[in-house]
Amino acid sequence: EVHLLESGGGLVQPGGSLRLSCAASGFTFSSYAMTWVRQAPGQGLQWVSTVSVGGGSTYYAVSVRGRFTISRDDSKHTLSLQMNSLRAEDTAVYYCVKGDSNYYYDFWGQGTLVTVSS
Amino acid sequence: DIVLTQSPATLSLSPGERATLSCRASQSVDNYLAWYQQKPGQAPRLLIYGASNRATGIPARFSGSGSGTDFTLTISSLEPEDLAVYYCQRSGGWPKTFGRGTRLEIK
Repeated sequence: EVHLLESGGGLVQPGGSLRLSCAASGFTFSSYAMTWVRQAPGQGLQWVSTVSVGGGSTYYAVSVRGRFTISRDDSKHTLSLQMNSLRAEDTAVYYCVKGDSNYYYDFWGQGTLVTVSS
Repeated sequence: DIVLTQSPATLSLSPGERATLSCRASQSVDNYLAWYQQKPGQAPRLLIYGASNRATGIPARFSGSGSGTDFTLTISSLEPEDLAVYYCQRSGGWPKTFGRGTRLEIK
């Protein structure tokens, strides 16, 4: 059974940093692209970032490019998101998501809440 | 960037009725279109991929159609548990845009 468990969320001040992690199990982690999707309170879904199989390619939404860094550790079956220069508008639940070969998001974690506030 | 416009924003129907949800793309996405269901307090779940293919474990009352710029998610006979927000998403190209969602209310 596929399982994705996010951690690392919390309250951070504007301008601060936070690192999210996602522990994956139940599938061959190294064979799939992995993605972060976020959802601001009461709002819709927003794609944030994707890392390719092997980690050689990374993709970012314009709103986070240059501030967020996605990475993966295939030996530890872990996905990470380093978030710097955080803004109030980054407040959201962040979901770790597994994609298939066509980037359809077939499994989602339960999410971790990031709150950016002074 | 490609924009996905979903309509209506809210749909209120009774159990047993047919629901038709629309997703329109500002440019062609071929058939690289998915639908997700998000029930209150839960993570989203993949319903339909490739515009018309049901994901694993999805009941047959859910169906998707369309290609290019116009897509439809149909729920043939509503069940109370179908109360949710439904999102479409393009999977080809970057960024991986989502629509704003359609909220389905069950009377």
